[in-house]
Amino acid sequence: DGGITQSPKYLFRKEGQNVTLSCEQNLNHDAMYWYRQDPGQGLRLIYYSQIVNDFQKGDIAEGYSVSREKKESFPLTVTSAQKNPTAFYLCASSPPGQGNSPLHFGNGTRLTVT
Amino acid sequence: AQKVTQAQTEISVVEKEDVTLDCVYETRDTTYYLFWYKQPPSGELVFLIRRNSFDEQNEISGRYSWNFQKSTSSFNFTITASQVVDSAVYFCALSERDYGGATNKLIFGTGTLLAVQP
Repeated sequence: DGGITQSPKYLFRKEGQNVTLSCEQNLNHDAMYWYRQDPGQGLRLIYYSQIVNDFQKGDIAEGYSVSREKKESFPLTVTSAQKNPTAFYLCASSPPGQGNSPLHFGNGTRLTVT
Repeated sequence: AQKVTQAQTEISVVEKEDVTLDCVYETRDTTYYLFWYKQPPSGELVFLIRRNSFDEQNEISGRYSWNFQKSTSSFNFTITASQVVDSAVYFCALSERDYGGATNKLIFGTGTLLAVQP
């Protein structure tokens, strides 16, 4: 079945360490997205990529980095510069569109930094 | 500015009750899309419906129905005869426009936690 795979489901890190969250999709979608979810704040866009080797910052990109070397993969690195990294991270993908294509989401990674 | 407001943070109902989840949006665009997603305890967001700004017909899908009213900038979601399996967080979202025009990026509301008690 086609879908989006995020791994791992739970991730624990010490403060000051960089950590990379994996996102893989086999839906053949061009666009991919990373959202962050905090209690009571809904989902906020971190980075998105509309095509391989290209990506743009979202609303809360500071302290994060991404790469898009392959169509099916869009890893997110949470760097030590991110002041509040503990959160639930959701990866999504969509076909090309002008606002009419729904996003398909993965199961998320819950990151805890202590 | 574009914004989505879900004023109801949490709703608790007893099974078989009807429940309406409110969504109010702000946009200056004439063409836009609205979405509802369900987030069960497992965490993934499940797409429920998409509505474009030119289609104000209400939609019904089984026990789910949606009421889109441009005059009040609202896109409310009603679950009829609620069931325990409906317990989840529900998000309303609006397609975001940037310098290039409409995009598939979404602006989400803060979500409504629905708890259906047996």
